[in-house]
This record gives sequence, structure tokens and C-alpha cells, in this order.
Amino acid sequence: GNSVTQMEGPVTLSEEAFLTINCTYTATGYPSLFWYVQYPGEGLQLLLKATKADDKGSNKGFEATYRKETTSFHLEKGSVQVSDSAVYFCALSDVDTGNQFYFGTGTSLTVIP
Amino acid sequence: DAMVIQNPRYQVTQFGKPVTLSCSQTLNHNVMYWYQQKSSQAPKLLFHYYDKDFNNEADTPDNFQSRRPNTSFCFLDIRSPGLGDAAMYLCATSRGTGGVPGELFFGEGSRLTVL
Repeated sequence: GNSVTQMEGPVTLSEEAFLTINCTYTATGYPSLFWYVQYPGEGLQLLLKATKADDKGSNKGFEATYRKETTSFHLEKGSVQVSDSAVYFCALSDVDTGNQFYFGTGTSLTVIP
Repeated sequence: DAMVIQNPRYQVTQFGKPVTLSCSQTLNHNVMYWYQQKSSQAPKLLFHYYDKDFNNEADTPDNFQSRRPNTSFCFLDIRSPGLGDAAMYLCATSRGTGGVPGELFFGEGSRLTVL
């Protein structure tokens, strides 16, 4: 079946540090991969996505590359800011399973000045 | 402007007292989803509607029901809330037109407390 395994948190970084949040997936078909972000008190919102192998999604300085050979979609940012403090969810969706979305457990990031 | 609106944002109910959470969308999306999110856990899909077609997850308790009277609105009914049903309930929509899966658009959630 489909599943997402995400790096456990919480993660605490100093401002301008490099961020990596690991995400690996298991899928029966050819899924699309997503990173969602949840800021305190808000709903989830799409951060970036990739729909096929070797695609790179990017937004707000964050990047993730769809690696089929390692079944991974790690999130990276070169220099985090305090405003990046949030919970990050890796997710996949597959047309073979009726476009259902499968989420990882989330990684809480706190950036300190 | 908010595109997926959930009401109420906070709901307190008593053990066993029915509660209804509502979700409306201005995106005209085909698919509407209800997720349950407990602290430090992944959102768990309860059910979704593709237009009027209702799709229940196999492990969703019978205590949870849903209605979608039209494209814009979807309701989550919890018939007899237990303490274990205290959670954040997230509504989401997607186009669902086939092909590459589109993104989910989430509301801000309704936090349910059961006393």
C-alpha cells in the first residue's frame, strides 16, 4: 500500500542554518509528492510539489527533488528564518488509489533568532 | 480571501452529545475531504465525496457521518462523541478531474473538545 515516513522532530535551528527534513515513501503506482506546511493556528497549505521522477519542486526558498531510485522527497532550505517555524508534512497522492492523500506524521520546526 | 471555510473554529461538547461541523468552499471543486488530526499525528482521512459519491474509509467509525447537500457545502456529524474523538477536524478540497493529482486546499480546521 501507500505510506509516507517522515523524519521525527521536533527540529530546532538557529536563523540562517541549513534545513533538511527527510521523507521517504512507499507507493504501488506512480504518485505525486507534496510538502504541506502548517503555521500555528492555521490549516495546512501547499508548500511545493513534484509530479514525476527527477522533478524538483520549489517555493519560498524551499526545495525538494522526487527521487524514484531512493523513494525519497527530502525538503531542504539553505537559510531558514524565524518565520519558517511551523509543522511540515510530506504527502503523496496516487491516481491509482482515487487521488487519496497519504500524510507523514509531520515535523515541527522551530527557528530561533 | 479564504476559499475553504470551516465553522466553528472551536467546538466544545459533552460526552455523547451530537455535534455538527461545517465546511464550505468557493473553489467549485469536485472533491471534498474530512480529515481527523490528533496532536503530533498525521491527518487521518475519514471520508471524501467525489461530487455526490460518498467514499468511506474502512476504519472510520460508524459514529462519524457526512453530508454533502451541494457542491459548496459538506458537513461532518459526530453522533455520540467520545473522549477519543477530541481532535482537530480538517476539511479539504481538490479538483479531482483525473490525471495528475491536484493539490489539496485546506480550511483552518475545527478543534473539537469533548468534556
